[in-house]
This record gives sequence, C-alpha cells and structure tokens, in this order.
Amino acid sequence: EPEVTQTPSHQVTQMGQEVILRCVPISNHLYFYWYRQILGQKVEFLVSFYNNEISEKSEIFDDQFSVERPDGSNFTLKIRSTKLEDSAMYFCASTDGQGYEQYFGPGTRLTVT
Amino acid sequence: AQKITQTQPGMFVQEKEAVTLDCTYDTSDPSYGLFWYKQPSSGEMIFLIYQGSYDQQNATEGRYSLNFQKARKSANLVISASQLGDSAMYFCAMREGPFSGGYNKLIFGAGTRLAVHP
Repeated sequence: EPEVTQTPSHQVTQMGQEVILRCVPISNHLYFYWYRQILGQKVEFLVSFYNNEISEKSEIFDDQFSVERPDGSNFTLKIRSTKLEDSAMYFCASTDGQGYEQYFGPGTRLTVT
Repeated sequence: AQKITQTQPGMFVQEKEAVTLDCTYDTSDPSYGLFWYKQPSSGEMIFLIYQGSYDQQNATEGRYSLNFQKARKSANLVISASQLGDSAMYFCAMREGPFSGGYNKLIFGAGTRLAVHP
C-alpha cells in the first residue's frame, strides 16, 4: 500500500540553525500539508500546498517557515532560524483531493537545543 | 472558540469491553467531515474512521463506530471489544468544506488518552 514517507525520523539542531524536513507524498496525490505537534499537545495545522503554491497557512507559519516542492516527488518544510519552541513532531500529509482521507507520514521529531 | 472539543483527557477500559470517546465540534459550514485518528506511543497518526456531514448512517469500520449526532454537534467514537493494543492517544478532527477539494485543513481536538487494562 502506498504511504507517505518522511526523513529524517529525528533531527537535533542548535537554536538559530536552519533545518529542512523532507517528505515524499503518495505519488498521485496533489494536495500536501504540514502539521506539527508539540509534545503532549494537539496536532496543529501549519500549511497546505497545491499546484506549487501555498493554499492556506496558519498564524504559526511565519516568515521563518517555507515550503517547497523542488521536484516531482519531494515536499519540504524549511525553518530558517530555529527556536527552542520549534521543538515538536512535524507531520507531512497528502491527499488526492477526491477521497476524504489525509494520509499522514510517520513524522519527524525535531529537537532544538 | 474551540472548534473541536474532547473533554476526556484520559479514559480507561477493561479488555473486551466497549468504550466511548467523546467529541463535540463547532462549525457554521453545512459541509464538513469528522475524523478519528489513533496515535500510539510510537507517534504515527493512524486514520480510523470518517463521517461526512451529509451521511445518513453512522460510520463503522470493524470495531470502530462513530456515533454522529448532528443536532448536538457530537461525533463520539465507540470502540467495541477493547484490546490491549487499543491503548493510545485518540484525536478527533474536523475538515470544513466540501468532501473533496483537498486543500481543506484538519482541525484537531486535544485528544483522549485511552488505557486498556487486562
């Protein structure tokens, strides 16, 4: 069964450093999402992406964040200058736009020290 | 205002018994979808069940059923015959907007941690 993959599974970085989280959505999917979950809290929407542009973003998704689909398969989330409060699990999700389900990847745990 | 409310931070149930996890929602959009996800300790998000706002019947998927009460804006998850492997965090989520149109984000509740005791 096709699945969303994310790399790395765990990333440790120092405050102020740039990180790129990578996702490979399901191949025929057209809509892509990033969510984050601070430890012990609920999952929060960050951004949705369709047709090579951002469809919607939350107030969390400030100028420090950017997303890109650099080729036909990868979907990346970049944080330019990480803060301690960026420590969280980051989930990528995708959907084909026809069905109702968003397929989630296994997540990348980001730890900012 | 909270769009999705899960009032039970923690629940426990005896193995083989049924359990209901509560979820209420708030939306003015006539088209919406309600989802339940399971998050085990390993962290991944596992889709369990979906209910569309226009669906006439309550959704069922194996041991999972969704008790959808539209007038009360509730979408409770019922797990029948609980198993030890059901111990996890459970999130209720909503997508506002038509059923297709993939750019509608999911809005999650705070979750309920379920412990199944032998």
